[in-house]
Amino acid sequence: KQEVTQIPAALSVPEGENLVLNCSFTDSAIYNLQWFRQDPGKGLTSLLLIQSSQREQTSGRLNASLDKSSGRSTLYIAASQPGDSATYLCAVGGGADGLTFGKGTHLIIQP
Amino acid sequence: KAGVTQTPRYLIKTRGQQVTLSCSPISGHRSVSWYQQTPGQGLQFLFEYFSETQRNKGNFPGRFSGRQFSNSRSEMNVSTLELGDSALYLCASSWTSGLAAYEQYFGPGTRLTVT
Repeated sequence: KQEVTQIPAALSVPEGENLVLNCSFTDSAIYNLQWFRQDPGKGLTSLLLIQSSQREQTSGRLNASLDKSSGRSTLYIAASQPGDSATYLCAVGGGADGLTFGKGTHLIIQP
Repeated sequence: KAGVTQTPRYLIKTRGQQVTLSCSPISGHRSVSWYQQTPGQGLQFLFEYFSETQRNKGNFPGRFSGRQFSNSRSEMNVSTLELGDSALYLCASSWTSGLAAYEQYFGPGTRLTVT
């Protein structure tokens, strides 16, 4: 059974810092990996999708990497802003098997 | 293009009752998945529908069921509600299903409270 772990569970940093969120998974036979953000009481917003054959994806200040062999992914956020405050979720799998989610990293960017 | 919509957004029910939640996917998307989110268990996969067929189901009791219509809209039903069913229920849509897994887009969720 796939298990996804996200470290750290919570993170608070001053505005402007670059930061890295970590995600690890136990079964490397994944179709893809997707990073989401969730604001309090809201649904999930897709940030980046990495297909199993890819190593990284970039969108604006966000960069996500995938190392299937080691079962790891990182989400890099450059020049953090208060608006980046949210819970960040990593999910693996996809397709008919559904997504397996980590418990998330609760991120606070201090102004 | 309109996003995934879910109705109702909030719902309060009593133990023993049943409830039906609705999800309209992004236009052109044929796959709809449902997830339950609770503080203790996090996000858990309920089931996925593609072309009106249930493709897979997560580890939930038979009280949880769903269906998909020819226009790809989906409903999920929970019968004989229990207090533990209180959760945020999220629907996600994707262009297709199977090995070529595509990006999933989530709706705002339905907050169900069981009293």
